[in-house]
Amino acid sequence: AQTVTQSQPEMSVQEAETVTLSCTYDTSESDYYLFWYKQPPSRQMILVIRQEAYKQQNATENRFSVNFQKAAKSFSLKISDSQLGDAAMYFCAYSRFREKLTFGTGTRLTIIP
Amino acid sequence: KAGVTQTPRYLIKTRGQQVTLSCSPISGHRSVSWYQQTPGQGLQFLFEYFSETQRNKGNFPGRFSGRQFSNSRSEMNVSTLELGDSALYLCASSSGDRANTGELFFGEGSRLTVL
Repeated sequence: AQTVTQSQPEMSVQEAETVTLSCTYDTSESDYYLFWYKQPPSRQMILVIRQEAYKQQNATENRFSVNFQKAAKSFSLKISDSQLGDAAMYFCAYSRFREKLTFGTGTRLTIIP
Repeated sequence: KAGVTQTPRYLIKTRGQQVTLSCSPISGHRSVSWYQQTPGQGLQFLFEYFSETQRNKGNFPGRFSGRQFSNSRSEMNVSTLELGDSALYLCASSSGDRANTGELFFGEGSRLTVL
């Protein structure tokens, strides 16, 4: 069974600084998707960034980028120029086409003004 | 486009009762998934419906059931409620077909408290 591990329950970062959230996963498959979802205190989960396993290039969305290391089964999220609105729970997730999302336990990110 | 809508947002039930939660997906989305979120267990997959058929199912007891209607709206039902069923129940939708990028669009959830 696939598992997703987030080893940092909590992280904090100064506003405007850079922070990296860690995620590792376990799978025997070669074709899959990886995601970072953000759940602000209002609770609605929204997608931050997505990576297809067959793509070697790391995904980037504005201030958010990932470091995808397929052989190491590692998928970290880097947030640059952190803003107060980035404060949230961040979940790393894995799925295959048409299958369920398997989530990690989440990292609570606090932004220090 | 309107987002995923879940009702009710909050509800309180007592042990032994049953509850029905509703989810309206984004227009055009045919797949609806349900997740349970608790502090202890995190986010766990309940089931997924696509075109009125259950396509995937998680490891939950038979007290948890769901269905999907022809307009893609979905309901989930929990019978004989237990204290451990207290959770945030999240609904998510996607196109569910070959155009699906794997991304799910979530609603704000229904917070169930069982007393």
